Amino acid sequence: DADVTQTPRNRITKTGKRIMLECSQTKGHDRMYWYRQDPGLGLRLIYYSFDVKDINKGEISDGYSVSRQAQAKFSLSLESAIPNQTALYFCATRGTGGAETQYFGPGTRLLVL
Amino acid sequence: GENVEQHPSTLSVQEGDSAVIKCTYSDSASNYFPWYKQELGKRPQLIIDIRSNVGEKKDQRIAVTLNKTAKHFSLHITETQPEDSAVYFCAASYSGNTPLVFGKGTRLSVIA
Repeated sequence: DADVTQTPRNRITKTGKRIMLECSQTKGHDRMYWYRQDPGLGLRLIYYSFDVKDINKGEISDGYSVSRQAQAKFSLSLESAIPNQTALYFCATRGTGGAETQYFGPGTRLLVL
Repeated sequence: GENVEQHPSTLSVQEGDSAVIKCTYSDSASNYFPWYKQELGKRPQLIIDIRSNVGEKKDQRIAVTLNKTAKHFSLHITETQPEDSAVYFCAASYSGNTPLVFGKGTRLSVIA
């Protein structure tokens, strides 16, 4: 779906560096999510936001922070990256009411050395 | 909170055979159950979903069944083809008011 985009698509960084992953959507959805995918562990929720003024921790929020700059933008930050944060990160958006389908962005592959 | 268990973690079938993937959930309030397919190197994409007021839903070769009493739901793929090879995820939530909780995924391999 070109409607949900993520930048960068790939990133290599060093331990201790601060990095930001960005997500933008043109679906007009209020609800946005950040997931992390590791082999054998599925998709685990890091943070989610139901609107611009709403931020909620997910299952694995430690070491991460987020910012909802606008309805269409939701950024994930790693304040001080560590090697076990090496993973594939997905942003997602979701509609409400009868339009509950969740759409994922293309993913950001992060390697922390 | 909700917990979703998915089995098996890997599944190999011969082309043309059927494949079944099962999930259980813990929260009886959950009422929305989607299934996602993730091909290698790509994002998860919705293939079918079911709501708790329906027991079964079909879309061509794919079907999902839901047993609310037992709190489990299953994905059925008939006449499997090599292009069905992917990782499949089940998920559950209470409408859009709670985030989707995903199972750990099933890697399906269809052998030609």
